[in-house]
Amino acid sequence: AQSVTQLGSHVSVSEGALVLLRCNYSSSVPPYLFWYVQYPNQGLQLLLKYTSAATLVKGINGFEAEFKKSETSFHLTKPSAHMSDAAEYFCAVSAPYSSASKIIFGSGTRLSIRP
Amino acid sequence: DVKVTQSSRYLVKRTGEKVFLECVQDMDHENMFWYRQDPGLGLRLIYFSYDVKMKEKGDIPEGYSVSREKKERFSLILESASTNQTSMYLCASSSQVVLFLQGYTFGSGTRLTVV
Repeated sequence: AQSVTQLGSHVSVSEGALVLLRCNYSSSVPPYLFWYVQYPNQGLQLLLKYTSAATLVKGINGFEAEFKKSETSFHLTKPSAHMSDAAEYFCAVSAPYSSASKIIFGSGTRLSIRP
Repeated sequence: DVKVTQSSRYLVKRTGEKVFLECVQDMDHENMFWYRQDPGLGLRLIYFSYDVKMKEKGDIPEGYSVSREKKERFSLILESASTNQTSMYLCASSSQVVLFLQGYTFGSGTRLTVV
């Protein structure tokens, strides 16, 4: 069975500082991994995805994530935070399930940016 | 771009009412999903459908039902609304063939308040 764990329900950083959002996964098969972002009162938007082509994945808005099999991690980083990055971020893993493949979401990490 | 449209952004209903939440996607996706999102609980899957007239229960189906009469439309029904169903409801769709490349596409959400 697949699952994801996001460490820290709330992360606060200063504007210009490094952003690091942690995600660990569990999967009995080679995983496909995703990061989604949700801005206030909106749906989720795909930020980036890992599909085994490259371990370092670049996404939109300057975010990137590195797949580390030995650590079962897929942490999300951005070198310099902007105020506009304030949002909730969800890590997710794909899961084949009965007749439809599904994506399993973590519980989310709310990112706050201090001026 | 794929669009997933949820008919209402905000909805207020009375306890005991029958409530319909509508979701329409325009990219011929096979799979459609309904989630509810509550603070601290992340996204919880209510129901999903992998084909017309097909449905499967997710993690929290109690108190809900769904209908998928056409491929592009997936309706969530609250048979008798209760205050504990006050939540943000998110609809998503995906292609079964390229799920792992594209992930899910989400609607903007419906914030339902039951009074």
